[in-house]
Amino acid sequence: DIVMTQTPVSSPVTLGQPASISCRSSQSLVHSDGNTYLSWLQQRPGQPPRLLINKISSRLSGVPDRFSGSGAGTDFTLKISRVEAEDVGVYYCTQGTQFPHTFGQGTKLEIK
Amino acid sequence: QITLRESGPTLVKPTQTLTLTCTFSGFSLTTSGVAVGWIRQPPGKALEWLALIYGNDNKRYSPSLNSRLTITKDTSKNQVVLTMTDMDPVDTATYYCAHRENWSYDYWGQGALVTVSS
Repeated sequence: DIVMTQTPVSSPVTLGQPASISCRSSQSLVHSDGNTYLSWLQQRPGQPPRLLINKISSRLSGVPDRFSGSGAGTDFTLKISRVEAEDVGVYYCTQGTQFPHTFGQGTKLEIK
Repeated sequence: QITLRESGPTLVKPTQTLTLTCTFSGFSLTTSGVAVGWIRQPPGKALEWLALIYGNDNKRYSPSLNSRLTITKDTSKNQVVLTMTDMDPVDTATYYCAHRENWSYDYWGQGALVTVSS
């Protein structure tokens, strides 16, 4: 199985300041078709996960442009340019390149 | 508008079999590349992928739970069913079904909390 490791586990951030979450996979996420199927999910308290970004950096419709994804191979990053109160929750990276699909352990974003 | 809804028992006893149903709307499982997956989340813990089924009946399972899981579909009813045998208290979790297209889980149900206790 591909292990997804996120850092930090918890991230206290001041409103209006940037935040960054790293995700590392135990092996390359580049698929044989050339694409990299790395996604980011947001889970607000008491809510199901919500897909924010897929294929490393493609933001879903309706996702604010303060969210951005980057990376390649085994190292990926989710950045929030200016944290807002509604961004509080747990963020997960997940890979769909290989079965079984796997998730990171989550990063809890909280406001200082 | 794509929606999914999980249904099933909220409480099961140890060793019993859990059957969960995902009823969906707004898409067809017969569409190429579309699938429905099951993911669970123990209280306060991370997400764990369980199983996936495509419209052509191709199925994939978590290797660690493969012997206990069965995923099926009823295309006419727009439903996907997950069964998990020999339930244990460690299987207590919120179970989600999710729509998968373009290689990612883009729509999720609200989840069904299942508690395993005698």
